[in-house]
Amino acid sequence: QSVLTQPPSVSAAPGQKVTISCSGRNSNLGINGVSWYQQVPGTAPQLLIYDNNNRPSGIPDRFSGSKSGTSATLGISGLQTGDEADYYCGAWDNSLSDVVFGGGTKLTVL
Amino acid sequence: QLQLQESGPGLVKPSETLSLTCTVSGGSLITRSNYWGWVRQPPGKGLEWIATIYYGGNTYYNPSLKGRVTISADTSKNQFSLELNSVTAADTARYYCARHRGVGATWHAFDYWGQGTLVTVSS
Repeated sequence: QSVLTQPPSVSAAPGQKVTISCSGRNSNLGINGVSWYQQVPGTAPQLLIYDNNNRPSGIPDRFSGSKSGTSATLGISGLQTGDEADYYCGAWDNSLSDVVFGGGTKLTVL
Repeated sequence: QLQLQESGPGLVKPSETLSLTCTVSGGSLITRSNYWGWVRQPPGKGLEWIATIYYGGNTYYNPSLKGRVTISADTSKNQFSLELNSVTAADTARYYCARHRGVGATWHAFDYWGQGTLVTVSS
């Protein structure tokens, strides 16, 4: 059971927009920023978003992040088949003194 | 471009110690605000943070693994290492080393990752 809760799967058609939710608690998302990672099968995770809505250099602006209260959302617009991957949210949890992750969401581009 | 590479045995016997090393290239371990960590992923499962170190010596551990884990750094070799003792089958996972940003801030993120190394615990 992951500390952060994500839907197991989402799907959308190429060119469409999809959102992935991440739900937490006061001790993590309530007071700390969220990060998002993309993991294409067989490869290492890649950082997409840090501190709620910041993109590292090289990450296209099709990827966006937001947070409200104890919930965060990753948005991916202009879906491409290459976006098919597992997506994870993560944050620091002050109560657990731990970096916690969501269980991951599998994105299928139909 | 910062690169990280894990190395170590791919097979460890139960009750023994898992030892892995991460070699950093394209950057220095001794850089202010750079922390270095380990994250693992059991086959078919999600991510789990294990430990993080700052070159100055500060270490941080996942509370659920503390007591079995030691993270250390060798700045002369630009490497940091992980030791996990008393391993069981539950420790079978792909182990990643990564640069850990935001430690001490209100956000945390792993922005550069190694390719990962699969460690199987089996007799």
